[in-house]
Amino acid sequence: EAGVAQSPRYKIIEKRQSVAFWCNPISGHATLYWYQQILGQGPKLLIQFQNNGVVDDSQLPKDRFSAERLKGVDSTLKIQPAKLEDSAVYLCASSDRNRDREAFFGQGTRLTVV
Amino acid sequence: AQSVTQLDSQVPVFEEAPVELRCNYSSSVSVYLFWYVQYPNQGLQLLLKYLSGSTLVKGINGFEAEFNKSQTSFHLRKPSVHISDTAEYFCAVTAFFGNEKLTFGTGTRLTIIP
Repeated sequence: EAGVAQSPRYKIIEKRQSVAFWCNPISGHATLYWYQQILGQGPKLLIQFQNNGVVDDSQLPKDRFSAERLKGVDSTLKIQPAKLEDSAVYLCASSDRNRDREAFFGQGTRLTVV
Repeated sequence: AQSVTQLDSQVPVFEEAPVELRCNYSSSVSVYLFWYVQYPNQGLQLLLKYLSGSTLVKGINGFEAEFNKSQTSFHLRKPSVHISDTAEYFCAVTAFFGNEKLTFGTGTRLTIIP
């Protein structure tokens, strides 16, 4: 089966600019996650979708981050405006809760804010 | 809520020597446990998982882990490491029931010395 697709792989922007990341989960996976991984740290959950509804966004900085999952398939994560501390790898993952709760990860988008 | 502690941020090991990466978790409910590996500039790949049954779990690339409920631990082991095992290793936990989101530890960087 095809894996989780993310784009772009790399992005460099200046602070205060905006940026968007795209994720296409594994076909049939109802649950989609966005994780933020700062260098030297473990992934931190930003937002979790079940189909097109938000399950958990408690750690999403809502003043600058937004995410949507239209039609319960693809998802977009946006940052506006970006800060230096947003430099990180943004990982998208998907899972099928009826299959052992294993999450499958994309290759990530490395964001550098200068 | 669940939490994960990886006690060692870095572990250097000589090639062909055995290795153990430690993971302890905290949870008020029953959990599933996972080990993921992350190679440079890549996403996370599942090494192994504990769902139920035998407490000794075997995964890919010769890795295995043992679930110890009384110690709340899930340590990862390999009897003989190779250069190709150089990577970051993450322990993760999710609740047995309810929200299936993964909570990660801070990771252990395994460096193999030739």
